[in-house]
Amino acid sequence: TQLLEQSPQFLSIQEGENLTVYCNSSSVFSSLQWYRQEPGEGPVLLVTVVTGGEVKKLKRLTFQFGDARKDSSLHITAAQPGDTGLYLCAGFLSGGYNKLIFGAGTRLAVHP
Amino acid sequence: NAGVTQTPKFQVLKTGQSMTLQCAQDMNHEYMSWYRQDPGMGLRLIHYSVGAGITDQGEVPNGYNVSRSTTEDFPLRLLSAAPSQTSVYFCASSAGVPGNTIYFGEGSWLTVV
Repeated sequence: TQLLEQSPQFLSIQEGENLTVYCNSSSVFSSLQWYRQEPGEGPVLLVTVVTGGEVKKLKRLTFQFGDARKDSSLHITAAQPGDTGLYLCAGFLSGGYNKLIFGAGTRLAVHP
Repeated sequence: NAGVTQTPKFQVLKTGQSMTLQCAQDMNHEYMSWYRQDPGMGLRLIHYSVGAGITDQGEVPNGYNVSRSTTEDFPLRLLSAAPSQTSVYFCASSAGVPGNTIYFGEGSWLTVV
């Protein structure tokens, strides 16, 4: 059982559509991060959220940290083919801040 | 800028063989870690280190050893390779404070036959 549950596991959409990826846990995290990974490469950090209820925007990407710091979401507006990739959420557990735990990832394909 | 460098990039081992995956970073980061990535399971933490001489276990440490004799290097040793250790391995480093950017290497593809 994953400590961080991501959904959906796969997402295939057309260019211009909106989408939301969810990251849920029963545990509290001191901070949560979202990464994007391209084939054959390591994950690259997109954003870090620290405060419960925090919302951060990165161009067409909106990240939200739940009030209780147990969940997070990534919303992409008007998806483009360049958004295609594996999106991973990862969190530092409260009190165990040296361990970064990852979710299983959401594989997104955006078709022209 | 070298960042995090992993070697080798590809390796095929026979069951029972031992090997070491090398990881080096040139950013003077205190925190380093090793992950393995398997289909449908994301990245799982194997071992991590918060500084030279200090290591600790992650989620899946069995079958792997690490040491941290210098700030720059964090090798991962497979003592007796098993087919279940076929995976992609990533080394990562950061300044060590939660929320700091974690930099990943490009990965090492290991196949155990």
